Amino acid sequence: DGGITQSPKYLFRKEGQNVTLSCEQNLNHDAMYWYRQDPGQGLRLIYYSQIVNDFQKGDIAEGYSVSREKKESFPLTVTSAQKNPTAFYLCASSMIRFGELFFGEGSRLTVL
Amino acid sequence: QKEVEQNSGPLSVPEGAIASLNCTYSDRGSQSFFWYRQYSGKSPELIMSIYSNGDKEDGRFTAQLNKASQYVSLLIRDSQPSDSATYLCAVNSGSARQLTFGSGTQLTVLP
Repeated sequence: DGGITQSPKYLFRKEGQNVTLSCEQNLNHDAMYWYRQDPGQGLRLIYYSQIVNDFQKGDIAEGYSVSREKKESFPLTVTSAQKNPTAFYLCASSMIRFGELFFGEGSRLTVL
Repeated sequence: QKEVEQNSGPLSVPEGAIASLNCTYSDRGSQSFFWYRQYSGKSPELIMSIYSNGDKEDGRFTAQLNKASQYVSLLIRDSQPSDSATYLCAVNSGSARQLTFGSGTQLTVLP
């Protein structure tokens, strides 16, 4: 089945630790995205990538880093520099840039 | 002014009624418009996309776009309890070159 796989679904982190969220897609989409969602709010763009080895900052990139070494994979690292990392993180992909987005199931990060 | 605004709700309708969800946007250059459904604790799911003025129907869902008035709406006919979710409006703003999401409208369909 084609789709987007995010892991882990739930993650707990101590303050000061970096964590990496995985995102893999087999839809053959060129564009991939990371969004953050806080309770009662819409989605905010962290990073996006249109092609391998290239990515662009979104509105809230500070404290996050990404890589795009393969077309299928777009991992997100939440660094210790991110002041308030507890949130629901969503990875998405699309055929064309900011076209119809398809989302993974999300990763819920809690900082203890 | 927020770039994409939705009536925050919550919105409650009885089963079988028409649910009307509205979204306004600020960038006149916006090209593409999307509605996503998000069940509690789950990720968003694309249910409608619309690109030109007028109505687009898909089953019980109708999206309406009016670029002159800068609004897009979603009508859900014969609402079912399974339609209870948060509906997110997303706009591809040409000038911002990204997809901007509204904060969502929570819909409850009462049996």
